[in-house]
Amino acid sequence: NAGVTQTPKFQVLKTGQSMTLQCAQDMNHEYMSWYRQDPGMGLRLIHYSVGAGITDQGEVPNGYNVSRSTTEDFPLRLLSAAPSQTSVYFCASSRAGLAGYNEQFFGPGTRLTVL
Amino acid sequence: KNEVEQSPQNLTAQEGEFITINCSYSVGISALHWLQQHPGGGIVSLFMLSSGKKKHGRLIATINIQEKHSSLHITASHPRDSAVYICAVQTYSGGSNYKLTFGKGTLLTVNP
Repeated sequence: NAGVTQTPKFQVLKTGQSMTLQCAQDMNHEYMSWYRQDPGMGLRLIHYSVGAGITDQGEVPNGYNVSRSTTEDFPLRLLSAAPSQTSVYFCASSRAGLAGYNEQFFGPGTRLTVL
Repeated sequence: KNEVEQSPQNLTAQEGEFITINCSYSVGISALHWLQQHPGGGIVSLFMLSSGKKKHGRLIATINIQEKHSSLHITASHPRDSAVYICAVQTYSGGSNYKLTFGKGTLLTVNP
């Protein structure tokens, strides 16, 4: 199993550009999430999905869109990049447990810089 | 105020020492996660617990639901344990939805 994969690993954008961060998992996990990690702050949830066709907003959703057309893929779209979106982005997946998440599996991260 | 507070923020130890990292939270939770983030950036799940104690090798995690507190212990610490340790609490947010809220992490450095 590849686990959780993310592409690209690094990306530089200019303000106003759009792009999609890709995330895929091959463990048939129901839950998938996108987080951003900024210096001095904990991981913060951007969007999450509890299954194909179901997505919802997290703590910091503004400026980002997601969709979940298959169990495996959960892309994150930046609509019009801003310097405030410079961050490291992590995708994670987990099996649904009796009380929500089970063990989280994280992708390797995407380091995004917006100039 | 952050819902999840970790202490200490930074911890330096000598190889072989017993390490304790603490996590306090302010809300009712369904589970608590401990994660490890190595200098290269990758994040690995260490434990998920909702009561009592779990042990994997030299790592032990405990939780006291009544006191809203969890600890991560590392016995016989080794330089390869140097990493950021992150606590995250899982709360119910309606329907079939749960939310994870993360602490800011504890940077552990173990010197040989």
